[in-house]
Amino acid sequence: AQKVTQAQTEISVVEKEDVTLDCVYETRDTTYYLFWYKQPPSGELVFLIRRNSFDEQNEISGRYSWNFQKSTSSFNFTITASQVVDSAVYFCALSEERGPARQLTFGSGTQLTVLP
Amino acid sequence: SQTIHQWPATLVQPVGSPLSLECTVEGTSNPNLYWYRQAAGRGLQLLFYSVGIGQISSEVPQNLSASRPQDRQFILSSKKLLLSDSGFYLCAWSAPWTADSPLHFGNGTRLTVT
Repeated sequence: AQKVTQAQTEISVVEKEDVTLDCVYETRDTTYYLFWYKQPPSGELVFLIRRNSFDEQNEISGRYSWNFQKSTSSFNFTITASQVVDSAVYFCALSEERGPARQLTFGSGTQLTVLP
Repeated sequence: SQTIHQWPATLVQPVGSPLSLECTVEGTSNPNLYWYRQAAGRGLQLLFYSVGIGQISSEVPQNLSASRPQDRQFILSSKKLLLSDSGFYLCAWSAPWTADSPLHFGNGTRLTVT
């Protein structure tokens, strides 16, 4: 069975600190896809990034960076120089092919609070 | 560009009353459509998904049902709500037959059953 673990339930940092959100996954698929989503207090889930299993290149987008390591089944997310607007719940997700549609298995989320 | 609309934004309903939540997608054809529920504690649970008109797959047996009467319309219903149906309901779409297509979510409906 597919599984995504976000062991950090809540993280609190002071503005401008760097913070890393951990994500560990389990899958038997040889081809799979990993995602990160942000859920601000307003509630909508915002797609941040997608990664496929055969591309282990790390990615940087502004203050965001992602570290994908197949050897440890991890897909960690780092925010550099955090800002108050980064406060949100962050979800890691793993896609699986079940029936005619791929579906996402979500981790339980990490609540990030950035204090001014 | 594609957009997804979900309504109502909030809803308070008594136990035993019916429910109808609607979701529509614009700017794409034949999307995969999903209903998720997020209970207190943040976990996201897939309730239903659909790959085409009239095709509904249920992930969790319960008193909810889903229908897809049109290509870009997805409806979540219940004949009699339970207290345990309270939660945050999210509709989402993804591109069809694209393995790495992300899900794009609506703004959600916060349902309180009293």
